[in-house]
Amino acid sequence: AQKITQTQPGMFVQEKEAVTLDCTYDTSDPSYGLFWYKQPSSGEMIFLIYQGSYDQQNATEGRYSLNFQKARKSANLVISASQLGDSAMYFCAMREGRQGAQKLVFGQGTRLTINP
Amino acid sequence: DVKVTQSSRYLVKRTGEKVFLECVQDMDHENMFWYRQDPGLGLRLIYFSYDVKMKEKGDIPEGYSVSREKKERFSLILESASTNQTSMYLCASSLFRRYSNQPQHFGDGTRLSIL
Repeated sequence: AQKITQTQPGMFVQEKEAVTLDCTYDTSDPSYGLFWYKQPSSGEMIFLIYQGSYDQQNATEGRYSLNFQKARKSANLVISASQLGDSAMYFCAMREGRQGAQKLVFGQGTRLTINP
Repeated sequence: DVKVTQSSRYLVKRTGEKVFLECVQDMDHENMFWYRQDPGLGLRLIYFSYDVKMKEKGDIPEGYSVSREKKERFSLILESASTNQTSMYLCASSLFRRYSNQPQHFGDGTRLSIL
């Protein structure tokens, strides 16, 4: 069963608009963490933001914020005031449990294109 | 800054060859990982290691093996390369911490083609 689901294979957004990238997850473990990564066309994976299952507040990092709805098991990434440089693949990933090895399960990714 | 270095950006090999992909990290991380990335499938974990000489199978270990003789180096081995192993391979490392917000840090990837 898919543990991380990103339902939007591709999204097209006008520059300066806000964009929401969807991510739903499935786990029965009360302790987990959710990560978002950006992968530009050059290929490197860039860590953007983290949300822990026990965190009381939604995570924010500059223009990135995470809309964490625990009961719905969703962790959507919100990018405010999009820029041309935001065009990339975006991956949602989940760490389950207390393990120190920090295994991640990734979603299929969403390709975001910002139009000028 | 954490630096994860993969030995090749592009590699072309023939079916049946033994292929070595090398990964080195410079931040004394305990955990190291090998993923393959295919369109529409995201990243899938092949193997990981949380200590020298320790290795654990990921979700798709068939056809692969790994070696971790030193803490900073994690090698992925394709024992007998096949065309269905043509893919992008990504190496990552992270600290060994429980309940951690520590992200995995990735190399630039190796695009491997098996002809």
